[in-house]
This record gives sequence, structure tokens and C-alpha cells, in this order.
Amino acid sequence: NAGVTQTPKFRILKIGQSMTLQCTQDMNHNYMYWYRQDPGMGLKLIYYSVGAGITDKGEVPNGYNVSRSTTEDFPLRLELAAPSQTSVYFCASSLPFGQPQHFGDGTRLSIL
Amino acid sequence: DAKTTQPTSMDCAEGRAANLPCNHSTISGNEYVYWYRQIHSQGPQYIIHGLKNNETNEMASLIITEDRKSSTLILPHATLRDTAVYYCIVRPSPIQGAQKLVFGQGTRLTINP
Repeated sequence: NAGVTQTPKFRILKIGQSMTLQCTQDMNHNYMYWYRQDPGMGLKLIYYSVGAGITDKGEVPNGYNVSRSTTEDFPLRLELAAPSQTSVYFCASSLPFGQPQHFGDGTRLSIL
Repeated sequence: DAKTTQPTSMDCAEGRAANLPCNHSTISGNEYVYWYRQIHSQGPQYIIHGLKNNETNEMASLIITEDRKSSTLILPHATLRDTAVYYCIVRPSPIQGAQKLVFGQGTRLTINP
């Protein structure tokens, strides 16, 4: 099993550019999550989804958009990249009812 | 949600038991204690969780005090690969839908040879 796969692993963007961070899971998990982690800090929840077609905001959603058209995929979109969005982005998935979250290896994004 | 307090860093000798404390004095009756760890810059890894009884799995043991105001994660025979940041997270009952985990700064555990 691949688990949770994130692409790309690294990316450098210029201010104002847009990009999509990809996340796919092969565990048939209903729930999926996007977190960001700034240097030396814990993870903060950006958006989450409890199933295809259903998404909701987390703690720090500003500047991001998500969609969930299939159970497997949960892409994160940055429309106008800003230096404050320089971070490591982690995608996770889980079964319902408080089951453990499984994380991908992250996408390291720099906005210059 | 209940706030957790963990030491910033700890050291442990390889082969010894590593005991990581967590204080959650404001925990409410329906909140579970979860432990995750993050090795270097990888994605966090689930370790264990519990409500009020002690729990054990292949990775670790979780000891929760009777008043539930604190807990201890025990790695019984620490190896160099257990060097990581360990996060103690308190969350409401699993029946309340998606688990929006809130990660603090955790404890940086260093296992020394």
C-alpha cells in the first residue's frame, strides 16, 4: 500500500503565482485533511473533508482552496502565493470516529 | 478543547525506557488523549490513544492518571530511531466527526547511544 502520497515534494514559487498541491490516498478513507507546519512549530489545520463533495475550513484557511471530487484525491490550491505561505504542507487521511490519521511525507513550498 | 503542557526536550539512553509526560489538567470527560510523533521532517505518525484506562500496543504504553489530569507515554526499550518530536493531543470523543488535531510544540526526545 502506498498510503498517502503527496506531490510535488519540493516547489519554489514566485509571489503571485498559483499552484495545486496534490494528495491521494489508497486506503478508502472518508476523511482527509490539509495541515501546514512552519519552522519549529506544530501543525495547523487548513481544510478538511469528511467525504467526496464535502469540505470545511480549519484553523488557517485564508489564501487556500480545496475540492474533493473523489474519495481518493484532495488537492489544495494556492491562488495568489504570498511569502507567508512558505511552509511544509502535510496531507492526512483517516477513517471516521477518531481513528488515527495517516500522514503523507509533505510538500516543502517556498514563496520568493 | 483542553490545553496540553509538555517538556520542551528530553534525553534518554538507548535501550532504556523513555517516559514522556503530558499535563492536561483541564481535560473534560469526553476527551481522549492522543500521541503522535514526528521523526525529523517526515509526516507525523500515530502512536496510541486512550480515554481513561491504560493502553498498550506494539509501539508504546499510555498511562493516564486516575483523575485524567496527566498522562505518560512509555517507549519500553528506546532505540536511536525513536529520536523525534512527540505530540500529546487532547480531542473530543471520536463520535463527534472529523478529528481536527491541534498540535502544540511537543517534546523533542533524543535517544543517546
